[in-house]
Amino acid sequence: DAGVIQSPRHEVTEMGQEVTLRCKPISGHDYLFWYRQTMMRGLELLIYFNNNVPIDDSGMPEDRFSAKMPNASFSTLKIQPSEPRDSAVYFCASSRTQNYGYTFGSGTRLTVV
Amino acid sequence: RKEVEQDPGPFNVPEGATVAFNCTYSNSASQSFFWYRQDCRKEPKLLMSVYSSGNEDGRFTAQLNRASQYISLLIRDSKLSDSATYLCAVNVGNDMRFGAGTRLTVKP
Repeated sequence: DAGVIQSPRHEVTEMGQEVTLRCKPISGHDYLFWYRQTMMRGLELLIYFNNNVPIDDSGMPEDRFSAKMPNASFSTLKIQPSEPRDSAVYFCASSRTQNYGYTFGSGTRLTVV
Repeated sequence: RKEVEQDPGPFNVPEGATVAFNCTYSNSASQSFFWYRQDCRKEPKLLMSVYSSGNEDGRFTAQLNRASQYISLLIRDSKLSDSATYLCAVNVGNDMRFGAGTRLTVKP
């Protein structure tokens, strides 16, 4: 199994631009999670899906953030417009069940200048 | 009070030492507990689950204390390769919340 695959690995963009992060979960994992990690706030849960349906998006910081999961093998996290304070590492993780150990992707390091 | 709290460290120990980390959680209804390891500029990787009766995996021992609402990780005979940040994870409702991590450096 290739694990959780995220792209791009690095993204540098200018303030105001749209950013789209992509994730392919492990096949057979019904849960997909988007986390953001910063030095100040650690790992924060943004949103999670169960069987492609968004279950809890209370962690999404603002309306500028949106996430979709059109099918079991693909999810996107979009930031529009991006701001410098969005700079962080964004991780996608998947799991068989909601309380099973998670497998994380290698993350997308986002820098907004 | 944060949902999951850890001592950020850093813990600097010599090779061969025994080191222990604690992680406290606020939700008494939490049922699932884990330890993850995160290397610098890498993703967190599952180290071990924490079971009610405690569990061991080689040099690593994890324990749960429900009464005091904390989990612990003990590393025996520490190796240079154990240097990393250790994150605890606790379920809160339907999702998992992570501690900020405890940084461990094992020195020769």
